[in-house]
Amino acid sequence: QSVLTQPPSVSAAPGQKVTISCSGSSSNIGNNYVSWYQHLPGTAPKLLIFDHNKRPSGIPDRFSGSKSGTSATLGITGLQTGDEADYYCGTWDSSLRAVVFGGGTKLTVL
Amino acid sequence: EVHLVESGGGVVRRGGSLRLSCAASGFTFNDFGMSWVRQVPGKGLEWVSSINRDGGDTRYAASVKGRFTISRDNAKNSLYLQMDSLRAEDTALYHCARDLAASPFDYWGQGTLVTVSS
Repeated sequence: QSVLTQPPSVSAAPGQKVTISCSGSSSNIGNNYVSWYQHLPGTAPKLLIFDHNKRPSGIPDRFSGSKSGTSATLGITGLQTGDEADYYCGTWDSSLRAVVFGGGTKLTVL
Repeated sequence: EVHLVESGGGVVRRGGSLRLSCAASGFTFNDFGMSWVRQVPGKGLEWVSSINRDGGDTRYAASVKGRFTISRDNAKNSLYLQMDSLRAEDTALYHCARDLAASPFDYWGQGTLVTVSS
């Protein structure tokens, strides 16, 4: 049972938009910065978004992040088949004194 | 370009020990905190441990506290994880990761697989 809650899976057609939610509490998302990662099993996770809504250099603006209260959202527009992967949110939890992650969301581009 | 390369994984008996290493390159190692994160096959990511820039502050997940020890050698640009009293539930792919100032990690390694057999 993950501290942060994500939907297990989402799907959409190529070219469409998808959003992935990440729900937490005041001890984590509510008061700490969120990162989002793209992960293919067996490979290094790739940072897509940090500090809620900032993109590292090299990450296209098709990827966006937002936060409202104790929830965060990753948005991906112009879906491509290469976007198929697992997506994770992560943040610091001040009560647990630990970095916590969501359970991951598998994106399928139909 | 930032590179993180883990090594030291393998098969170990329950109750045994293993030492993981992470070789860092492409950045000034002692400017960043570092961490270990693991992924049980087929499951999600779990933070294991973090260490600050000079090694003076370390933190551990409750599941490994007292059994695992994180350390670093800034002269060798290397991060380590000493794992003792290993359990079956420690079986996972272990990634090292570079800490960001506020949000969790930016760069990650591909991981090294640890299998604890009974």
